[in-house]
Amino acid sequence: SQELEQSPQSLIVQEGKNLTINCTSSKTLYGLYWYKQKYGEGLIFLMMLQKGGEEKSHEKITAKLDEKKQQSSLHITASQPSHAGIYLCGAVLNAGGTSYGKLTFGQGTILTVHP
Amino acid sequence: DAEITQSPRHKITETGRQVTLACHQTWNHNNMFWYRQDLGHGLRLIHYSYGVQDTNKGEVSDGYSVSRSNTEDLPLTLESAASSQTSVYFCASSEFRDSPRGTQYFGPGTRLTVL
Repeated sequence: SQELEQSPQSLIVQEGKNLTINCTSSKTLYGLYWYKQKYGEGLIFLMMLQKGGEEKSHEKITAKLDEKKQQSSLHITASQPSHAGIYLCGAVLNAGGTSYGKLTFGQGTILTVHP
Repeated sequence: DAEITQSPRHKITETGRQVTLACHQTWNHNNMFWYRQDLGHGLRLIHYSYGVQDTNKGEVSDGYSVSRSNTEDLPLTLESAASSQTSVYFCASSEFRDSPRGTQYFGPGTRLTVL
């Protein structure tokens, strides 16, 4: 099973709708990163969360970290076609030694936004 | 502007051939990573390096090798290409290893097909 599970695996919404993507870890989180990927392109860094209860926003995208649940959520308000793509969460699941700095990724969530 | 580049962007090769994928970054980052992206598996770590002459195996390192002779480059070599290595390969780099400063920045990817 995956150490980092994303849900849902795919999401289709109408433009203007709100949506939430979840990322749940089976291990302690030492840092949680959200990326966006357009088809055929590389990953673009969105934001990083480290402390429990931390919340960050960029334009219409808000990410939160629930330390107790070992979970992060990514919320998009009033979605637009430009939000379409693959959203991936990456986490630091090990602290110290040669594992320090490695990211484990979820399988990704494919978001489609219909105009 | 500093950046991370990968070449070639697309490659078709035959089973058994040796293939080398290039990754070059101009940020002067110490840390560099190679991932492969496959449907249903998300991003999986192949090899990583924390500095010149340092290399470490990731979770899917069999059949791959890397070498780090300078800060800017981390080439990935497939010793004897197999059809199972058909994938999209991403290179990433980071300045620090510790969160929250350990954000990884990704190249545009190389799509490799092994026939």
